Amino acid sequence: KQEVTQIPAALSVPEGENLVLNCSFTDSAIYNLQWFRQDPGKGLTSLLLIQSSQREQTSGRLNASLDKSSGRSTLYIAASQPGDSATYLCAVYNQGGKLIFGQGTELSVKP
Amino acid sequence: NAGVTQTPKFRILKIGQSMTLQCAQDMNHNYMYWYRQDPGMGLKLIYYSVGAGITDKGEVPNGYNVSRSTTEDFPLRLELAAPSQTSVYFCASSSLPGTAKMNTEAFFGQGTRLTVV
Repeated sequence: KQEVTQIPAALSVPEGENLVLNCSFTDSAIYNLQWFRQDPGKGLTSLLLIQSSQREQTSGRLNASLDKSSGRSTLYIAASQPGDSATYLCAVYNQGGKLIFGQGTELSVKP
Repeated sequence: NAGVTQTPKFRILKIGQSMTLQCAQDMNHNYMYWYRQDPGMGLKLIYYSVGAGITDKGEVPNGYNVSRSTTEDFPLRLELAAPSQTSVYFCASSSLPGTAKMNTEAFFGQGTRLTVV
């Protein structure tokens, strides 16, 4: 059974800091891994998708890495801003089609 | 571009009532999913479908049923609503993961906030 864990559960940083969010999964037989952002009371916004054959993806100040063999992914946010405050979720596509989520990291960036 | 459309956005049910949450996508995606999200938690998979006529249980299927008669629609049925089913429900769709297509990301609806009293 695939289990996805995100550490830390919550993180508070001052504006301008670089930060790393962690995601681990127990079954390395995955197709893809996707990072999402969720604002309070809102739906999910896709940030980055990493195919299983890829090592990383970049979009603006965001960089996501994937080490499938060790069951780990990281989301790096450079020069954090108050507008980055949200909950960040990672999800893995199992072979067979299930999309399984971690419990999220709640990020607060203080001005 | 409509994407994934969920209806209704909000609903209050009494204990024991039934209802159907609607989900439709216009991207010709094979894969569709239903999740529930409780306060402060991640998303838990209820049911998923890999194509019309094919459905399977996720992590928390008890108390729910689904059907997939068309590629576009994936309704979620709640029978005999219970307070434990108070949650926000999200529907999602994606094209076939693991293919050579680059755009296999999952797209989500805006959610249905359900309260059972």
